[in-house]
Amino acid sequence: QSALTQPASVSGSPGQSITISCTGTSSDVGGYNHVSWYQQHPGKVPKVMIYDVSNRPSGVSTRFSGSKSGNTASLTISGLQAEDEADYSCSSYTSSSTLVFGGGTKLTVL
Amino acid sequence: QVQLVQSGAEVKKPGASVKVSCKTSGYTLSAYALHWVRQAPGQRLEWMGWINAGNGNTKYSQNFQDRVTITSDTSASTAYMDLSSLRSEDTAVYYCARDVGQWVLDYWGQGTLVTVSS
Repeated sequence: QSALTQPASVSGSPGQSITISCTGTSSDVGGYNHVSWYQQHPGKVPKVMIYDVSNRPSGVSTRFSGSKSGNTASLTISGLQAEDEADYSCSSYTSSSTLVFGGGTKLTVL
Repeated sequence: QVQLVQSGAEVKKPGASVKVSCKTSGYTLSAYALHWVRQAPGQRLEWMGWINAGNGNTKYSQNFQDRVTITSDTSASTAYMDLSSLRSEDTAVYYCARDVGQWVLDYWGQGTLVTVSS
């Protein structure tokens, strides 16, 4: 199972919005709505920010939103804040009843 | 509160095996699937497999199919991940994580660093 494709890095200034893409195939992202996004600060444990494409767990800021079109899922962070600087990884359920993660994207808040 | 506490760091020689434990509390282990995910230094998260502790069913990534075994002891509320034939590329932090449903990993262990070096 190949990793889902994410940009290696994105950046934005405080207050701006950024979008991170996650591209897979019809056997994973395109075929199911079990797409999640995880935030990971350096040396810390991943934290789920979005699940089932667009749902936010309790306690996650409304500045985080998710969507999907075809084989590509997206995470949008609006009103960027310094604390959002972290690595973001997507994951998807697959047709093999396994889980696959993306390559990860480093978000820099300028 | 839900907690997953993993065993401590390990240093192993190439060809050896390692067994990492994940002790759960605050919920019933058999009620949720539990996954193992690893992350090599500076690299992406990589899914290894999962176990349904309620019935013992497991599913592994093809990348580890022949080398990984995930087990559980519900009486001890603990899951285990055994990785054999270790090589230097297996140096990574290994995480256990609870699946709240729909393949969403909501609680994670603190991670266990496994270093493979001769």
